Amino acid sequence: DADVTQTPRNRITKTGKRIMLECSQTKGHDRMYWYRQDPGLGLRLIYYSFDVKDINKGEISDGYSVSRQAQAKFSLSLESAIPNQTALYFCATSRVTDTQYFGPGTRLTVL
Amino acid sequence: RKEVEQDPGPFNVPEGATVAFNCTYSNSASQSFFWYRQDCRKEPKLLMSVYSSGNEDGRFTAQLNRASQYISLLIRDSKLSDSATYLCVVNVAGNQFYFGTGTSLTVIP
Repeated sequence: DADVTQTPRNRITKTGKRIMLECSQTKGHDRMYWYRQDPGLGLRLIYYSFDVKDINKGEISDGYSVSRQAQAKFSLSLESAIPNQTALYFCATSRVTDTQYFGPGTRLTVL
Repeated sequence: RKEVEQDPGPFNVPEGATVAFNCTYSNSASQSFFWYRQDCRKEPKLLMSVYSSGNEDGRFTAQLNRASQYISLLIRDSKLSDSATYLCVVNVAGNQFYFGTGTSLTVIP
């Protein structure tokens, strides 16, 4: 079984809809991250969390919110999706400055 | 200025060739350095960490130059399976990870 899982893997939605992307991990890591990837822009950090009570904004947090429900679960929400949020979204986990482990990604399309 | 900059390529090389990628970082507080590999539409996966003294893993060699703030990746004897995008990643002060936009490599038969 994969150590970091994301659901859904693909989602097509309409402008204005609320969307939640979920991430679960079995690696026992305290730190979890949400990134989006766009062609030519690389991976950009949306939010990160160092433990259950810690939430931090990343480079591009506007239009997004997160919830750290447990050490193993970190969800990303788009309260009112817009077309420029169409992207590939990755969840990742790590220990402190150690390697990050990524989930398989969620391909989101906002029409 | 971007935290991490890479030449996007593409690099198209024949099988068996040696190819090198460079990456520069802007924050002198950067603590940890990595090269990741990403196949098309897949998640990034760690290729190797980069240590101050340089390190080698089979055909792959990574170097770090803190004075000039760049890291490099050398791939020897390129294989078709090396075709991918290579991401330079820097961790600053134990907090955020910053990713380069990636360098595309295609190894040609």
